[in-house]
Amino acid sequence: DGGITQSPKYLFRKEGQNVTLSCEQNLNHDAMYWYRQDPGQGLRLIYYSQIVNDFQKGDIAEGYSVSREKKESFPLTVTSAQKNPTAFYLCASSIRDRSTDTQYFGPGTRLTVL
Amino acid sequence: DQQVKQNSPSLSVQEGRISILNCDYTNSMFDYFLWYKKYPAEGPTFLISISSIKDKNEDGRFTVFLNKSAKHLSLHIVPSQPGDSAVYFCAASQNLFSGGYNKLIFGAGTRLAVHP
Repeated sequence: DGGITQSPKYLFRKEGQNVTLSCEQNLNHDAMYWYRQDPGQGLRLIYYSQIVNDFQKGDIAEGYSVSREKKESFPLTVTSAQKNPTAFYLCASSIRDRSTDTQYFGPGTRLTVL
Repeated sequence: DQQVKQNSPSLSVQEGRISILNCDYTNSMFDYFLWYKKYPAEGPTFLISISSIKDKNEDGRFTVFLNKSAKHLSLHIVPSQPGDSAVYFCAASQNLFSGGYNKLIFGAGTRLAVHP
């Protein structure tokens, strides 16, 4: 089955620690995205990548870092510089086709900083 | 500044009746709109979309209407079912990326509750 997987589902971290969230897709999509969702708010774009070895900052990139070494994988690192990291993190991907802007989402990772 | 607004945080509808979820936007450059459905602790699921060259798109029980002059779109669900109870996000697309990729701007969501 094609889809997007994120792991782990739940993640706990102590303050001051970096943590990496996994995102893998087997949809053969070129573009991948990271969003965070906070209660009562829409999804906000953290980083996006259009192609392997290239990525760009989104609206709230401070305190986060990403890599795109493989087409299928787009891991997100939440660093200790992120002031308020507790949130629900969503990874998405899309095809390279201007006729559709649909992004497909993974199941999400809930990160809690203790 | 919120470019995509869903002014109703919640909506309660009786099973079998119509659910109407609303979304307003401010940026006239948006040219594609999407609705996503989200259950708690899960990722959003794509429901239906509409291009700015259309004013209506229908898929089964779901219909999206676009009023460009009013910068308003709505999602109609008929008939509503208990399984439709979820948070619905409206999203608008603005072509900021080269090569055909687009940035989605999301509203804050509307929680729909369909009761028997």
